[in-house]
Amino acid sequence: DAGVIQSPRHEVTEMGQEVTLRCKPISGHDYLFWYRQTMMRGLELLIYFNNNVPIDDSGMPEDRFSAKMPNASFSTLKIQPSEPRDSAVYFCASSLGGGAPETQYFGPGTRLLVL
Amino acid sequence: AQKITQTQPGMFVQEKEAVTLDCTYDTSDPSYGLFWYKQPSSGEMIFLIYQGSYDQQNATEGRYSLNFQKARKSANLVISASQLGDSAMYFCAMREMNFNKFYFGSGTKLNVKP
Repeated sequence: DAGVIQSPRHEVTEMGQEVTLRCKPISGHDYLFWYRQTMMRGLELLIYFNNNVPIDDSGMPEDRFSAKMPNASFSTLKIQPSEPRDSAVYFCASSLGGGAPETQYFGPGTRLLVL
Repeated sequence: AQKITQTQPGMFVQEKEAVTLDCTYDTSDPSYGLFWYKQPSSGEMIFLIYQGSYDQQNATEGRYSLNFQKARKSANLVISASQLGDSAMYFCAMREMNFNKFYFGSGTKLNVKP
């Protein structure tokens, strides 16, 4: 079975440019999560979706960040304009919902460097 | 208050010995799940083990076991017979079911010495 797929795996861009990160969750999973990991702040939950609907976006740092999930098999995280402090590893994860807490399965991450 | 606390930034263990990685949590949600993830130097996050708040028995998965002490709100990870490949960052995480919240700890870096 294919796991969570993220693209690109690496992204280098210049400050001010728009960055779009992509995620394909595991088929059948109805929760999708976006995380950011840095040395300074550790792993932070940015936003998560349930059945394509954003449930909690309180972790989104500011208006420069936006996330969409147009269908059950695709999500994007966009940063516009990007800044050097956005440099981090961005993970997408998915899980199966239901009555019991379900394990989140992570993608390989996108390493973003903003110069 | 921190929702997930991992008090050991770094740990060393001798190969073939057992090691316990500490995790305490804070929640008022009666329904929650506790997870441990491994992150090797390559960067991917690997799910290891899960414990539900209503589970009566401690979870086990191969060499991994979760020492769940509900009254103390602790969910320590025990790795038996450590291997060199166990060297990695380990994260404790919690999902609050009713509050729909997710939290990760700051991680513990484990080094297994030959």
